[in-house]
Amino acid sequence: AQSVSQHNHHVILSEAASLELGCNYSYGGTVNLFWYVQYPGQHLQLLLKYFSGDPLVKGIKGFEAEFIKSKFSFNLRKPSVQWSDTAEYFCAVKGYSTLTFGKGTMLLVSP
Amino acid sequence: EAGVVQSPRYKIIEKKQPVAFWCNPISGHNTLYWYLQNLGQGPELLIRYENEEAVDDSQLPKDRFSAERLKGVDSTLKIQPAELGDSAVYLCASSLEGRDREYSSSYNEQFFGPGTRLTVL
Repeated sequence: AQSVSQHNHHVILSEAASLELGCNYSYGGTVNLFWYVQYPGQHLQLLLKYFSGDPLVKGIKGFEAEFIKSKFSFNLRKPSVQWSDTAEYFCAVKGYSTLTFGKGTMLLVSP
Repeated sequence: EAGVVQSPRYKIIEKKQPVAFWCNPISGHNTLYWYLQNLGQGPELLIRYENEEAVDDSQLPKDRFSAERLKGVDSTLKIQPAELGDSAVYLCASSLEGRDREYSSSYNEQFFGPGTRLTVL
């Protein structure tokens, strides 16, 4: 069975700080990896996804993630966060058909 | 383009009462999902439909939960009777999956609705 582990449940940063949210997964086969974001009061939205090819994936709003197969990791990064990045971030892995989510990381960015 | 629509957005009921949630997926999406999201957790799959067929309902508590997707478009999720522990957000998502099973699941994005927040008193 596949599983996802997100390292931090809560992260607090000041504006302009750099962000890295950890995500590790377990699955024996080929995977597709996703980061979803949920802004306060809004529904889940896709931030970025990895299917194949370049392991460094760029998403919306300046976010990127790097797939490191040997470490089973797919960490999310942003060089300089903004107050508007305050949200909950979910890493997800998809094996053959089922999308499995991590528990989420709540990011609070203070102005 | 309209997104995934869910109703109601909020529902408060007493335990042992029945409750139903409705989902209208994105037009043309053949695959529909119901997820359960508890506070502080990520969404967990309850059931997945490909057109009218429930292809994965292994996580659906069948003693009290039921779902249907008549005509392969809208779907309803029902709980009868509701228990205190059912309080959560119920999310619906949809995607367009291709015919080729070997590759289709790898290339399609799930779009989520706003969810229904259920409170059982």
